[in-house]
Amino acid sequence: EIVLTQSPATLSLSPGQRATLSCRASQDVSNFLAWYQQKPGQAPRLLIYDASNRATGIPARFSGSGSGTDFTLTISSLEPEDFAVYYCQQRSNWPPLFTFGPGTKVDIK
Amino acid sequence: QVQLVESGGGVVQPGRSLRLSCAASGFTFSSYGMHWVRQAPGKGLEWVAVISYDGSNKYYADSVKGRFTISRDNSKNTLYLQMNSLRAEDTAVFYCAKDLSATHFNYMEVWGKGTTVIVSS
Repeated sequence: EIVLTQSPATLSLSPGQRATLSCRASQDVSNFLAWYQQKPGQAPRLLIYDASNRATGIPARFSGSGSGTDFTLTISSLEPEDFAVYYCQQRSNWPPLFTFGPGTKVDIK
Repeated sequence: QVQLVESGGGVVQPGRSLRLSCAASGFTFSSYGMHWVRQAPGKGLEWVAVISYDGSNKYYADSVKGRFTISRDNSKNTLYLQMNSLRAEDTAVFYCAKDLSATHFNYMEVWGKGTTVIVSS
């Protein structure tokens, strides 16, 4: 079973600052990694898939990078609506099983 | 627009059963894999199950295998989750989600708002 680890657990930043979130996989997942944003009381929203592709309607300030076991989600300049919890997710090759990381909370400093 | 609406949640006693539904609209439901994902109170996301576009392939998390069954009715554009032998640790918000790809299981592109299941005596 592939385990995802996210760091830091909490990131305290101010609007306008750059946010860098990390996700590490216990095994090579190639580029099969996604990032989701979840705000309190809301369903998650897909931000990034295949490690670096922005989902439909996602602003350009969100970018993803990495492959293999180390991945990064970057928010270039935080907007007030970006303060939320961010999860990474991977899919194992076979059988197709899905795992989420524990999440990183980005809160207002 | 793509819309997913879950229903069927509620309070149920341990050991009992519950069936969740997810009504889909705004896309060709019969062309996409569909997932169930849950979130226990104050916790992170846990993938539960996935079903292929035609219902022929189904996969489950170990935590629910043998107790939960995912199914779909493409004529009704509806996804189901039959949950048997419920435990307190199954208490969660259950989300249905549409897969991003029409040909593979990969990512959860669109999510419903969720339905809450509480397992308690």
